[in-house]
Amino acid sequence: EDKVVQSPLSLVVHEGDTVTLNCSYEVTNFRSLLWYKQEKKAPTFLFMLTSSGIEKKSGRLSSILDKKELFSILNITATQTGDSAVYLCAVAGGGADGLTFGKGTHLIIQP
Amino acid sequence: ETGVTQTPRHLVMGMTNKKSLKCEQHLGHNAMYWYKQSAKKPLELMFVYSLEERVENNSVPSRFSPECPNSSHLFLHLHTLQPEDSALYLCASSQDLRGGDTQYFGPGTRLTVL
Repeated sequence: EDKVVQSPLSLVVHEGDTVTLNCSYEVTNFRSLLWYKQEKKAPTFLFMLTSSGIEKKSGRLSSILDKKELFSILNITATQTGDSAVYLCAVAGGGADGLTFGKGTHLIIQP
Repeated sequence: ETGVTQTPRHLVMGMTNKKSLKCEQHLGHNAMYWYKQSAKKPLELMFVYSLEERVENNSVPSRFSPECPNSSHLFLHLHTLQPEDSALYLCASSQDLRGGDTQYFGPGTRLTVL
């Protein structure tokens, strides 16, 4: 059975801190790993990773994939209160044509 | 309008009611999806359609019935639901099934079954 595990499940930090969110997966026929940010609405797309070791960056956010160890990390530097959200990791692969999601990391940034 | 839209945004229904959720995408995508998001559980894939044909059904109970009349519209027909079906129902679309794994989500329908 395909599995995506995110850690930590929740995290509280202060503004300006740097955070690292983790996602490990077990899936057959891996195609890609995606990160989403979900506030009080639908998830919004952040990154799609398909190749190992290539960092993707968008402003203060960055992510990298390790296909040998089957995990990805999402880094957020100089955090702001607007970064407070649930960060979802999802993997495309296996027998399903949709995505298999992890439970998410609930990130709270305190002023 | 842009992106993926869903209506209604909120729905309260009794167990004997029949209702439908609607999803529309304006992205020219060929694949559409229904997901269920329950509290403290991962997003669960329910149905996948590609070019209006169903290609995936993750063992969803028959009280949920999808319909995809064209590549821009997706419906989820609901009947005789149970209270445990209360959840956020999300629609998503992607360019296609294999080449475009990036899925874009609608705002969701918050469903409460009394």
